[in-house]
Amino acid sequence: DGGITQSPKYLFRKEGQNVTLSCEQNLNHDAMYWYRQDPGQGLRLIYYSQIVNDFQKGDIAEGYSVSREKKESFPLTVTSAQKNPTAFYLCASSPVFWRGSNQPQHFGDGTRLSIL
Amino acid sequence: DQQVKQNSPSLSVQEGRISILNCDYTNSMFDYFLWYKKYPAEGPTFLISISSIKDKNEDGRFTVFLNKSAKHLSLHIVPSQPGDSAVYFCAATYSNDYKLSFGAGTTVTVRA
Repeated sequence: DGGITQSPKYLFRKEGQNVTLSCEQNLNHDAMYWYRQDPGQGLRLIYYSQIVNDFQKGDIAEGYSVSREKKESFPLTVTSAQKNPTAFYLCASSPVFWRGSNQPQHFGDGTRLSIL
Repeated sequence: DQQVKQNSPSLSVQEGRISILNCDYTNSMFDYFLWYKKYPAEGPTFLISISSIKDKNEDGRFTVFLNKSAKHLSLHIVPSQPGDSAVYFCAATYSNDYKLSFGAGTTVTVRA
């Protein structure tokens, strides 16, 4: 079955530590995205990537970093510079040209990050 | 500044009745709109979409209506079922872009 795998499902971080969230997809999608969900605020875009070795900042990129060394993988690092990292993090992927198809962004099941 | 707004955080409806979810947008360049459904601790799943060249799109129990002049769209679920209890997100995008802008979501509770 094709899909997006996010791991771990729950993650705890001590203050001052960096932590990396994993996202892997086997849908052969070129584009990948990271969102953050906070209560009452919907999904906010952190970073996105259209192609390997290229990515752009979204609306709330401060305190986060990403890499896109492989088409299938788009890990997100939450750095110590992110002052309020507790949230639900969602990874998604899509074809670049998905409009009009039945394949808009597909989402993983998310990682809940908490600060100890 | 949030370009896609869902002003009703929650909606409670009796099983078998109609659920109507509303969404407003401010960016006049948006020309493609989607609805996603999300259960707790899971990722959103795509529900239905509509292009700005249409004013209605129907898929089974789900119908989306678009009013471009009012920059407003709505999702109708008829009849509502207990499995429809979830958070519904409205999203939008525009030509030459593949990113989505999401609203804050509306939590639907279907009562037996």
